[in-house]
Amino acid sequence: EVLLVESGGGLVQPGGSLRLSCAASGFTFDDYAMHWVRQAPGKGLEWVSTVTWNSINIGYADSVRGRFTISRDNAKNSLYLQMNSLRAEDTAFYYCAKDILVGPPSGGVDVWGRGTTVTVSS
Amino acid sequence: QSVLTQPPSASGTPGQRVTISCSGSSSNIGSNTVSWYQQLPGTAPKLLLYSNNERPSGVPDRFSGSKSGTSASLAISGLQSEDEANYYCATWDDSLNGVVFGGGTKLTVL
Repeated sequence: EVLLVESGGGLVQPGGSLRLSCAASGFTFDDYAMHWVRQAPGKGLEWVSTVTWNSINIGYADSVRGRFTISRDNAKNSLYLQMNSLRAEDTAFYYCAKDILVGPPSGGVDVWGRGTTVTVSS
Repeated sequence: QSVLTQPPSASGTPGQRVTISCSGSSSNIGSNTVSWYQQLPGTAPKLLLYSNNERPSGVPDRFSGSKSGTSASLAISGLQSEDEANYYCATWDDSLNGVVFGGGTKLTVL
């Protein structure tokens, strides 16, 4: 079974940091680009960041660029999101997601984790 | 607002055919394939269609997709009450070097 399991969410004060992790299983992790997507309460889906299979190509949404860092460890089948200088507007449910195609990211996601909640509040 | 434009809401009666549009630009839909997702309340999104009109295994053939130029659409035929959900389109954007989503369409089955 293909699985993505996120962890590391929680309550943090504005300006604080969190590191999200995503453990992947059931597929060849290093064949695929991986994404972080978030969803604020009652809002739509928002792309956060993408990393290619070999970590050569990385992209960030303007809203998080310079504050968040995506990384992956193919040996550990894991994806990470280091979130610094957190703001109230970063409060959301964060999903780890697998690109549907082998190779360059396509924007299509066929596997989603169950998500982890990040709440930024004093 | 979202890079891809979807109508905020759509509705239909059981058995009807409903379409949801998704409008973008040359750097996203015009250059890349489109995927569609269904999200039920309190759950993670589920992939409905990828590569414009391909269905993953397990998705009924009532769901179909198309793309023309910088626009795409999702069609649901034989509407069922269980289809009531939020639907999102998405694609890669070459200018932004990232995934872009539509704002979502809430489908109501009357």
